[in-house]
Amino acid sequence: EIVLTQSPATLSLSPGERATLSCRASQSVSTYLAWYQQKPGQAPRLLIYDASTRATGIPARFSGSGSGTDFTLAISSLEPEDFAFYYCQQRRSWAFTFGGGTKVEIK
Amino acid sequence: QLQLQESGPGLVKPSETLSLICIVSGDSISDSGDYWGWIRQPPGKGLEWIASIEYAGRTYHNPSLDSRLTISIDTSKSQFSLKLSSVTAADTAVYYCARRGETNHFDSWGQGTLVTVSS
Repeated sequence: EIVLTQSPATLSLSPGERATLSCRASQSVSTYLAWYQQKPGQAPRLLIYDASTRATGIPARFSGSGSGTDFTLAISSLEPEDFAFYYCQQRRSWAFTFGGGTKVEIK
Repeated sequence: QLQLQESGPGLVKPSETLSLICIVSGDSISDSGDYWGWIRQPPGKGLEWIASIEYAGRTYHNPSLDSRLTISIDTSKSQFSLKLSSVTAADTAVYYCARRGETNHFDSWGQGTLVTVSS
């Protein structure tokens, strides 16, 4: 099983600030990695797939980078609606796995 | 626009079988290349992939749940289903159905349904 470790667990920032979230894989997943956003009481929403491609309708302030075992999700300038949980997920093997999540909260 | 809707009992007794259905509307469940899956989220915790199935019936299971899992698809009814046997309190979670589409990731999700395992 490929284990995904996300850090930090919680990120406390103010609107307008830049957010940088990390996802590290226990073995290489190439670029087969996605990022999801989840708000309380809602289903996850796909933000980024294949490490760096924004999904349909996702604002340009969201960007993804990385390959192999180290990945980053960046939010260039936090909007009020961006405060949420974020999860990474790999599809390198058919035993899909998710990271434990990062909560981006208002400072 | 693609929509997915989970349905099933909200309460299941320990040792019994959890059964859920996901109804797909707004797009064909038989599109080549699409996979349909189940993901769950225990209260206050993270996401766990359970299983996926493609329209022709090929399935993929989470190894940790494999012995208790059955996933199936009925293209004539535009739905797919999940059965998880011998449930315990650890299976209490919100269960989501989702599509793995052309992005090769889960790009459309149902709203989720809470299943509680309790006597």
